[in-house]
Amino acid sequence: DAKTTQPPSMDCAEGRAANLPCNHSTISGNEYVYWYRQIHSQGPQYIIHGLKNNETNEMASLIITEDRKSSTLILPHATLRDTAVYYCIVRVASAGRRALTFGSGTRLQVQP
Amino acid sequence: DGGITQSPKYLFRKEGQNVTLSCEQNLNHDAMYWYRQDPGQGLRLIYYSQIVNDFQKGDIAEGYSVSREKKESFPLTVTSAQKNPTAFYLCASSTTSVSGNTIYFGEGSWLTVV
Repeated sequence: DAKTTQPPSMDCAEGRAANLPCNHSTISGNEYVYWYRQIHSQGPQYIIHGLKNNETNEMASLIITEDRKSSTLILPHATLRDTAVYYCIVRVASAGRRALTFGSGTRLQVQP
Repeated sequence: DGGITQSPKYLFRKEGQNVTLSCEQNLNHDAMYWYRQDPGQGLRLIYYSQIVNDFQKGDIAEGYSVSREKKESFPLTVTSAQKNPTAFYLCASSTTSVSGNTIYFGEGSWLTVV
């Protein structure tokens, strides 16, 4: 699985958009970009994933650059409950052979 | 509701004892995984299983054992050979669809060696 690079921490004001970047310059054509988050002492929560098109769901939007070497997770209106560690992962769709590899992620602190 | 259930949530073990963490899923997922997380660190893969009666070692399998006798269940045994077992353990499962197989996690089990 391709290696990802994320900033270790970010701050965001409550009610504003939180934009979390991820670099994955070695991503291959069949690898998806996944985002998870983990609130302290809980299991990671799936947020969104995509291959090359931008994606949106009820939680967030995922913007993937045209060359697919980087992506941005957007939380449109951050709340205090969005304070968590956010993990960006790239992975092939043919799951079974390998599991997710989690790095250190970005610790997002939403400020009141 | 469908999901992944881990038990117990908190477990204390004496040194030299084996302990088994339970993981059950009713999502009809083929693949299941066990991860370990130490404070302030990311997740590290211990074992994973793609199908019943089959499993593979992950990055840190030493001192751990698993079984996959049923699709729904993937218990993890932390043996006395694991030198530093105190950690947060996470079980997960996923489908194997071609549209990107999302992995879902349980709520985790805290193991403390006393």
